[in-house]
Parts: sequence; C-alpha cells; structure tokens
Amino acid sequence: DTGVSQDPRHKITKRGQNVTFRCDPISEHNRLYWYRQTLGQGPEFLTYFQNEAQLEKSRLLSDRFSAERPKGSFSTLEIQRTEQGDSAMYLCASSLAGGPQHFGDGTRLSIL
Amino acid sequence: TQLLEQSPQFLSIQEGENLTVYCNSSSVFSSLQWYRQEPGEGPVLLVTVVTGGEVKKLKRLTFQFGDARKDSSLHITAAQPGDTGLYLCAGDPVLGGTYKYIFGTGTRLKVLA
Repeated sequence: DTGVSQDPRHKITKRGQNVTFRCDPISEHNRLYWYRQTLGQGPEFLTYFQNEAQLEKSRLLSDRFSAERPKGSFSTLEIQRTEQGDSAMYLCASSLAGGPQHFGDGTRLSIL
Repeated sequence: TQLLEQSPQFLSIQEGENLTVYCNSSSVFSSLQWYRQEPGEGPVLLVTVVTGGEVKKLKRLTFQFGDARKDSSLHITAAQPGDTGLYLCAGDPVLGGTYKYIFGTGTRLKVLA
C-alpha cells in the first residue's frame, strides 16, 4: 500500500512535554497538509506545504506548533509544551496541486 | 464562522432505507469533495464534484453539486450496515486571498441490520 503514512498512531504524554509526529505522503504528491480533529467534529486545517515551502498557516497553529517538510517529501509536526487542549487526532493528507486530498489514518494525541 | 453546514448531524436508519445528506454554504466552491470516515481512521475520499449541476454515481451513492456551486447532496439508496460512518463534505471556498480547505460539520450515519 502506498498511501499516506503517519507515525506514531497513538501518543500519550504528560502536559508540558514536547511531541513530534511524522507524515509520509504519497510519493508523487507535491502538496502536504496537516489537520486537527476533535471528537465529533470535522477536521480543521492547520497548515500546508507545496514541496518544501510552507504556504499557509491557520490561526489555530499557535507558536507552540511548528511544521517542517525539509526535502519536500516527509513532514513533521511538533508541539512544544503540550496542553490539555492539544488532545486530538492529527491528520496528514497529500495531493497533487489542484487534486483531491488523500488522508493518512492520523496520530491520536492524549495529554495526561 | 462555519462555511459548510451539513444536515442532518445524526441519522439512524434501518437497512434498506434511502437517505439524503445535505452540505450547504453561502460561499461558492471551485469543487467539493465527499469523504467517509470510520472511527480511528482518516477520511477516505468518495468523490469530487467540480461542475455546477454535476451528478456522479458510485454504486448506491449519488452525489450532486448545486448549480451555483454552493451546495451538494449525497443520496444513498438501500442503505447497508457497511455504509455506517461519518460523512464529510469539504472544499476550498472561492474567497480569494489565503488558502483554507474546510470541512463540513459532518453527518454521522448508523445503518441498523
């Protein structure tokens, strides 16, 4: 299967710790997106990359959040000094420019 | 401000019944996508509609894009328990300026055997 892959699938951490998630997109896709989804809600857009350039960041992405896509392939999303409100499913998607997005199965973050 | 409203929010029906899910907005979309999401998994793309008035069929699922490209509907014929899941519409509104791909509020469907 060559779909979007996310790691880890689950992360449990204590409040105040830093966490990092990884996303490997579909190989030929030049766009990569990050979303956050809380229970019972649709995904909320966080940021997206075209190749290695981060083109857009949502206001939801506070200064504790940072995303990178250093070589235009995989991406990482880091959350520093985690808070209870950061508990959510973090979804990654990829696409060709102008094409539909294909999602990974997400990383579920639980903050104790 | 939520730009994509879905209705109903929840729907519980018996196997074999028909249903329609609506996705409405005051904004124009260049295209809309429909996804289905199951617990613990990411959304899975079902269809993309692009042209106003377009109708697409995927087995028992029929998708329609409104003439003005502000709304869409999903109709399921003879629902089956395997259709159970969270249905999401999504798209990038033609607002100009910043990119913002948004998802609808979601419709949680449960089909009882």
